[in-house]
Amino acid sequence: KAGVTQTPRYLIKTRGQQVTLSCSPISGHRSVSWYQQTPGQGLQFLFEYFSETQRNKGNFPGRFSGRQFSNSRSEMNVSTLELGDSALYLCASMWGPGQETQYFGPGTRLLVL
Amino acid sequence: GENVEQHPSTLSVQEGDSAVIKCTYSDSASNYFPWYKQELGKRPQLIIDIRSNVGEKKDQRIAVTLNKTAKHFSLHITETQPEDSAVYFCAASSTGGGNKLTFGTGTQLKVEL
Repeated sequence: KAGVTQTPRYLIKTRGQQVTLSCSPISGHRSVSWYQQTPGQGLQFLFEYFSETQRNKGNFPGRFSGRQFSNSRSEMNVSTLELGDSALYLCASMWGPGQETQYFGPGTRLLVL
Repeated sequence: GENVEQHPSTLSVQEGDSAVIKCTYSDSASNYFPWYKQELGKRPQLIIDIRSNVGEKKDQRIAVTLNKTAKHFSLHITETQPEDSAVYFCAASSTGGGNKLTFGTGTQLKVEL
């Protein structure tokens, strides 16, 4: 099976812009979680989607949003970018909704200037 | 919410020695504890996990122990090899939290020849 894929892999934006990141889970997996990884804050949970429904949300401002499509692909959007949003954004793919093994994608590295 | 503390932040061992990384968690409802290895520039990869109905789990040179009463769990790597050098993250989740993982801050393990 193909692994988790994320696009784009690298992105440079300026403050105030918005960005959309995409995640394609492993075939057959129905759950996708998103994490932000920074040197200072480590790995922090953003949100989780299962069957097109957001099941959990982390402690991030409303500028961070996401969605999941019927084919389980997921997107996350960050509006009004701030310098502090520079990070590696990782998505994880899981078969089901509860405490499954999470398979991470390669991440999208976002740099906000 | 859940809080996971991880120690040490850096660990240097000689090849062939054992390495131990410890984590504590705060939410007594947590019942799933995975460990991830992340090499430089790569995605986190699951190396072992344990659920709260088990006290210890072993997979070749890697073992994890869980003490529910004290709310801590540990990763043990025996006969370390240079390829074990990486950042290791512990994490925790609870049944009610679905696939939301709360991560520790990571341990940079260096195995020296």
